[in-house]
Parts: sequence; structure tokens; C-alpha cells
Amino acid sequence: DVKVTQSSRYLVKRTGEKVFLECVQDMDHENMFWYRQDPGLGLRLIYFSYDVKMKEKGDIPEGYSVSREKKERFSLILESASTNQTSMYLCASSLQIGGLASYEQYFGPGTRLTVT
Amino acid sequence: AQSVTQLDSHVSVSEGTPVLLRCNYSSSYSPSLFWYVQHPNKGLQLLLKYTSAATLVKGINGFEAEFKKSETSFHLTKPSAHMSDAAEYFCVAKTSYDKVIFGPGTSLSVIP
Repeated sequence: DVKVTQSSRYLVKRTGEKVFLECVQDMDHENMFWYRQDPGLGLRLIYFSYDVKMKEKGDIPEGYSVSREKKERFSLILESASTNQTSMYLCASSLQIGGLASYEQYFGPGTRLTVT
Repeated sequence: AQSVTQLDSHVSVSEGTPVLLRCNYSSSYSPSLFWYVQHPNKGLQLLLKYTSAATLVKGINGFEAEFKKSETSFHLTKPSAHMSDAAEYFCVAKTSYDKVIFGPGTSLSVIP
């Protein structure tokens, strides 16, 4: 079974703090993703990575950065947390079969971040 | 523009009755299509996927979906709802190397 773990289930931070969300997958997947999930908006892609040290912006990268120093680990960084970043954050990974081939994403349990 | 539409934000059914969750996509390419389920406070779990093989796809927990290219639809069905099916359901399209598009989700309630 693929396992995607996230460092925290619940996190409370103050405005202006630097926040690190960690994600680890144990199946040697090439691709890793960070999403945020908000009521009525579904999942929105923040960043993804298709290889170590590689990253691509998703649909809503503003206010976030990422780091992928090892294949199994993908970190999401909020440089200066703001209240509008209060959300559920979901990490996912997938195997890259190539081109237009289909692949499914495996999700972690999520981190519910509250910024006060 | 590529998009995924889930026509109902909330569906309520009685236990033992059929479930229908609707999904339409808009894409210039033949997409791969997925349905995911999310139970409260959990991550998303893959229910089933369509990848240009059989148009009727069977998934886990008795769910199935039919790809209809002429209608650009991929509706999710189950013959008989169970209480444990109450969850949020997401239709997802993968249309190119990098692009995965999530629908907004449908919340399914099952009434005993």
C-alpha cells in the first residue's frame, strides 16, 4: 500500500510566522503535489514537483514556496502566514508513467492549518 | 478552457436506493477521468478511473461510472446506497502531461 504521510493533522500559527508543512511518501513516486482545499472551491493546486529539486507552480502559488531535496519528501513553506491561508492542505504523490498515460494520485490525510 | 463540472453540490438519498453523482468535463483532448471519495477529516481515496479502455468502469465499494464521449460525461452510480457511502466525491480529469483538474465536489448524504 502506498503511504503518504503529513507531519501534522492540525496546526495553529500566528500571522507573520514562517510555517513548514512536511509530506513524505514511501513508494518512490516521481511526482508530488500540494493542494489546498476550501469549502465551495474544491482542491486547488499550489505547487508540484516531478523530480528532486524540480518544482512547478500550480494555480495558486502566491504566498507559498516548496522544497524537494529528497525524492520521498516535499515541503510546503508559508514564508509569512496570513489569515487567508487558513485552510486544509493536502499532499499527494503519483507514479509518472509518461506522456498522456493516466495515473492516479495518492493523498495524505491532510493538515488543517489555522492562522490567527 | 479545460474544466470539470459537478452538477450537484449536494445529493441526499435513502439507504438502499440508487446513487447518481453527475460529472461533465470540457477538454480538447481525450481525458483520463477519475472519481475520488473523501470521508470526513481524511485524505482522498481513488474510487475508479477511466483510461480509454472500456467505457463502463467498475470501482471499489460497488461504484461504477460510464464514460460517454458524446455527452462529455462521466457520471458515478451505485445501485444501493449504504450509510458508509456518506462522503464528499470529486470528479477529476487529467488532460495533459501536467494538468489535473478537480471538480468542486458533491457531498453525498445517506438517510437511514
